Amino acid sequence: KAGVTQTPRYLIKTRGQQVTLSCSPISGHRSVSWYQQTPGQGLQFLFEYFSETQRNKGNFPGRFSGRQFSNSRSEMNVSTLELGDSALYLCASSLGTTTDTQYFGPGTRLTVL
Amino acid sequence: KQEVTQIPAALSVPEGENLVLNCSFTDSAIYNLQWFRQDPGKGLTSLLLIQSSQREQTSGRLNASLDKSSGRSTLYIAASQPGDSATYLCAVEGSNYQLIWGAGTKLIIKP
Repeated sequence: KAGVTQTPRYLIKTRGQQVTLSCSPISGHRSVSWYQQTPGQGLQFLFEYFSETQRNKGNFPGRFSGRQFSNSRSEMNVSTLELGDSALYLCASSLGTTTDTQYFGPGTRLTVL
Repeated sequence: KQEVTQIPAALSVPEGENLVLNCSFTDSAIYNLQWFRQDPGKGLTSLLLIQSSQREQTSGRLNASLDKSSGRSTLYIAASQPGDSATYLCAVEGSNYQLIWGAGTKLIIKP
C-alpha cells in the first residue's frame, strides 16, 4: 500500500505571495489533517478534512485554508505569505475515527524570503 | 485548554540501556494518546496508539503506558540501539479529533 505523499517537497516563496501544497492520502483513508511544524512552536494542528468537509480547525488566521476532493486528496493554501510561515507542513491521513492511527507524509518544507 | 509536556527534552544513553520517556497532559478527557518518532528532516512514524480505555500497548521493544487519571504516559524502550536515535513525540486526541502535541524528546543512543 502506498504511503501518504506530499508535493512539492520543497518550496521557496517571497513575502506576499501565495502557495498551494498537495497531499495524497493512503488509499481508503477519508480523513486528511494538516500540521505546521516550526522550531519555536513545535507541531500545531491546522485543520482536518473528512469526506470533503472541514471537520475541525486549529487556531490559525484565515490566510490558511484547505479543501478536500472526492478522491480524498487535499490541498492547503496560504495566501499573503509572511516570514513566519516558513515551516515544515505535514499532512496525515487516517480512516477518520478517534481510534485510528494517523499516517504522515514526508512534509513540504516552505521557506518564505 | 489541553497542554502536553514531554520530559526530558533531550536524552543521551549508551547502547543497550533500557530507558523511559515521559509525557504528561493537563486534560484527562482524551480519546487516545499516540507516540511517534521523527527522524531529522522527515515526517512522523506512528509507534503506538493507546485508546483511552487501555492501560498499555506493546510493539517489539517498545511499551507505552497510559494513566488518564494522573495525566501521564510513558514510553519504555528496551535494549536501546543506535537506530532508535530520533525525536520522540507524544500527542493526545480529544473529542474534536485534534492532535495536541508535546515538544518532543530528542534521543541519542551512543554506540
